[in-house]
Amino acid sequence: EAGVAQSPRYKIIEKRQSVAFWCNPISGHATLYWYQQILGQGPKLLIQFQNNGVVDDSQLPKDRFSAERLKGVDSTLKIQPAKLEDSAVYLCASSYDSYEQYFGPGTRLTVT
Amino acid sequence: GNSVTQMEGPVTLSEEAFLTINCTYTATGYPSLFWYVQYPGEGLQLLLKATKADDKGSNKGFEATYRKETTSFHLEKGSVQVSDSAVYFCALSPYSSASKIIFGSGTRLSIRP
Repeated sequence: EAGVAQSPRYKIIEKRQSVAFWCNPISGHATLYWYQQILGQGPKLLIQFQNNGVVDDSQLPKDRFSAERLKGVDSTLKIQPAKLEDSAVYLCASSYDSYEQYFGPGTRLTVT
Repeated sequence: GNSVTQMEGPVTLSEEAFLTINCTYTATGYPSLFWYVQYPGEGLQLLLKATKADDKGSNKGFEATYRKETTSFHLEKGSVQVSDSAVYFCALSPYSSASKIIFGSGTRLSIRP
């Protein structure tokens, strides 16, 4: 069974630029999550989708972050404009039964 | 609110040593508890879980017991190997929001041959 795929694996941008991350969940997993993991901290949930609907985006900085999950499969997370404090690893996870989440390898973002 | 506190790292042990990584939690209701592991260059993986008080989760020689009276879920392994070197995250899922996972800050473990 293929795991959660994410791209790119690494991205370096300057502040005020925009960036987008892509996630392809495990086939059949209805729930998709985006997390932000700042160095030295645990992952923090940004947004949760159930199929193509948003379940929880309470910790998503909506003035600069946006996410979508068209057709209930792939998802894209965008940051526009980026700030220095957005430097982190962005993790995507998916689940079938909403308890066990399967994580992708993450995208490491560096904002200079 | 809901939160997880785990011992700070890094933790460095010799091969075959006994491992304990402490984890305590704060939550309303009856959360589910998890340990996740992140090997170098890989994504987070679920290591073990427990969904109710006194449950013991176990996997790959690791164990953790859900202790409601002490609000703890300490991770233990009797004899660690070099391949256990990784970052370990304690986490909980609140009863009221079963799919929302709250992570601790992680403990980096390094095992010397």
